[in-house]
Amino acid sequence: EPEVTQTPSHQVTQMGQEVILRCVPISNHLYFYWYRQILGQKVEFLVSFYNNEISEKSEIFDDQFSVERPDGSNFTLKIRSTKLEDSAMYFCASSPQGLSNQPQHFGDGTRLSIL
Amino acid sequence: DQQVKQNSPSLSVQEGRISILNCDYTNSMFDYFLWYKKYPAEGPTFLISISSIKDKNEDGRFTVFLNKSAKHLSLHIVPSQPGDSAVYFCAASALNDKIIFGKGTRLHILP
Repeated sequence: EPEVTQTPSHQVTQMGQEVILRCVPISNHLYFYWYRQILGQKVEFLVSFYNNEISEKSEIFDDQFSVERPDGSNFTLKIRSTKLEDSAMYFCASSPQGLSNQPQHFGDGTRLSIL
Repeated sequence: DQQVKQNSPSLSVQEGRISILNCDYTNSMFDYFLWYKKYPAEGPTFLISISSIKDKNEDGRFTVFLNKSAKHLSLHIVPSQPGDSAVYFCAASALNDKIIFGKGTRLHILP
């Protein structure tokens, strides 16, 4: 069964550095998402992306964050000037269409540790 | 602002018995509800969903019940198996909108 893949599985970065998290969504999916889960807290929506542009973003997704689909397969989340509180699991998800009867499929996540 | 609430952080159930996981929501605009299962070091895996036009959806051992008037849904797993031990997230969305997750319930299936 096709799956969403994320790399790296664990990223350790010094505070203030930039980090790029990579995702390969399921190939025929059109909607892409990033979520994060801070340790011990719930999974939180960051951003959704469709047709090469952001369709929705949360309050968390401020100017420090950006997303890009640089080619036909990758979907990236860039965090500029990382902060300690950016430490979390970051999950990428994709769905065939952004309709309410289509579940989102998640990758296994990237654990981001900011030192 | 907890729009999706899972009030039980953990639940222990004997193998072979029924597991019932509960979820409440506050946003009446939600029209699609999902349950995800999560093992350690893995992402959430879609389990089962229900549209607001239904009150029950069944898939094998898993059944989701939706009570719109009470803004409550539940996931029934019967019979419970050891591999069902995981964290279960209730989630909800409005049309074309993001998924809002609950905090999760850790289910332990006891031998």
